[in-house]
Amino acid sequence: NAGVTQTPKFRVLKTGQSMTLLCAQDMNHEYMYWYRQDPGMGLRLIHYSVGEGTTAKGEVPDGYNVSRLKKQNFLLGLESAAPSQTSVYFCASSPSLAAQHFGDGTRLSIL
Amino acid sequence: GQQLNQSPQSMFIQEGEDVSMNCTSSSIFNTWLWYKQDPGEGPVLLIALYKAGELTSNGRLTAQFGITRKDSFLNISASIPSDVGIYFCAGPPLNSGGSNYKLTFGKGTLLTVNP
Repeated sequence: NAGVTQTPKFRVLKTGQSMTLLCAQDMNHEYMYWYRQDPGMGLRLIHYSVGEGTTAKGEVPDGYNVSRLKKQNFLLGLESAAPSQTSVYFCASSPSLAAQHFGDGTRLSIL
Repeated sequence: GQQLNQSPQSMFIQEGEDVSMNCTSSSIFNTWLWYKQDPGEGPVLLIALYKAGELTSNGRLTAQFGITRKDSFLNISASIPSDVGIYFCAGPPLNSGGSNYKLTFGKGTLLTVNP
């Protein structure tokens, strides 16, 4: 019962450090997404991908980069972490229709 | 960006009661989705609606796609303690460039069920 798997589940960083969040899906979905969830803000789209080798900006892309070298993986990078990037990050995937399937999230704290 | 107005923001009910929540927008949506998020987990899809006027059930849950295509509601009948969580509506606005995969989310309704 894998679906969408996110690693790591928790991480604490210092300001200025870099890290990469990994998302893997085993449903052969074309589309993948990265969201952040903050209290009172709901889910906001950071970046998304409509297929292997493609990426596009979402609603809040600044400070993040992504890569989709393989269809099943979607990586989210923080080059220089800032306290404002403390959040819960969710990855999702979908086939051509709208319904997206979510992972269980990565809880990231930046000190 | 597009906004989905979800209400109420929170609800406190007794076990066994029915629950109703809704989602409205100034934009037309061609799909409405309802998700539930349990603490510490990701959102899980409950119901998907694809046609205006559509009424769909999933167990004790019933959702409807509004005729105007600008709203949707979710009802939960005979609530139980495990219904506790945050319920989100979501959908791709019609003016999202024709892409059916970029979703706009409501801010959620927090449901608490007292046993």
